[in-house]
Amino acid sequence: DAGVTQSPTHLIKTRGQQVTLRCSPKSGHDTVSWYQQALGQGPQFIFQYYEEEERQRGNFPDRFSGHQFPNYSSELNVNALLLGDSALYLCASSPGGNREQYFGPGTRLTVT
Amino acid sequence: GQQLNQSPQSMFIQEGEDVSMNCTSSSIFNTWLWYKQDPGEGPVLLIALYKAGELTSNGRLTAQFGITRKDSFLNISASIPSDVGIYFCAGLGRLGGSQGNLIFGKGTKLSVKP
Repeated sequence: DAGVTQSPTHLIKTRGQQVTLRCSPKSGHDTVSWYQQALGQGPQFIFQYYEEEERQRGNFPDRFSGHQFPNYSSELNVNALLLGDSALYLCASSPGGNREQYFGPGTRLTVT
Repeated sequence: GQQLNQSPQSMFIQEGEDVSMNCTSSSIFNTWLWYKQDPGEGPVLLIALYKAGELTSNGRLTAQFGITRKDSFLNISASIPSDVGIYFCAGLGRLGGSQGNLIFGKGTKLSVKP
């Protein structure tokens, strides 16, 4: 049973550029959440997708957007990258919105 | 963003020692979760707690959901070298708030005593 997978593993971008990160949920899970983890901090909630719609959103600007596909996989897009967007981006899946979440290995984004 | 209060921030362990850490919040949660994160990897779920007062074990790990629903505790018995890492508590289903997003503590870093 494959767990949550994310791609790419690492990414280096320049300020002002745009980036797309991808996530495939654990088998049987229909809800995907995205988190940003800065160095030395706990993960911070970005948003959650269920039935291809954004169901909840954390305190992140509109530069952060996402999408969920019919097969439950998801993308996170960040526009107009800032140096402060450098972080580990984690995807988590769950069998429903208010259940325990399982994390992928993350994508390390570095903005220079 | 909102974070839970997790303590201690760091601790050193010697093989065979028992370890305790806790997490407190000003908000009530429906579910408490404990995760372990190794460097460069995503958090791995260790224990999930669903009811106030619940005590749950997973091998050498034991966690409790506080009676007030505002705190949780994790104990590791007879620690071994592979217990080293960062342990995070997370609350889910905050009363009066959004239900589906995890709110994390800052983590407790476990290291081996030099």
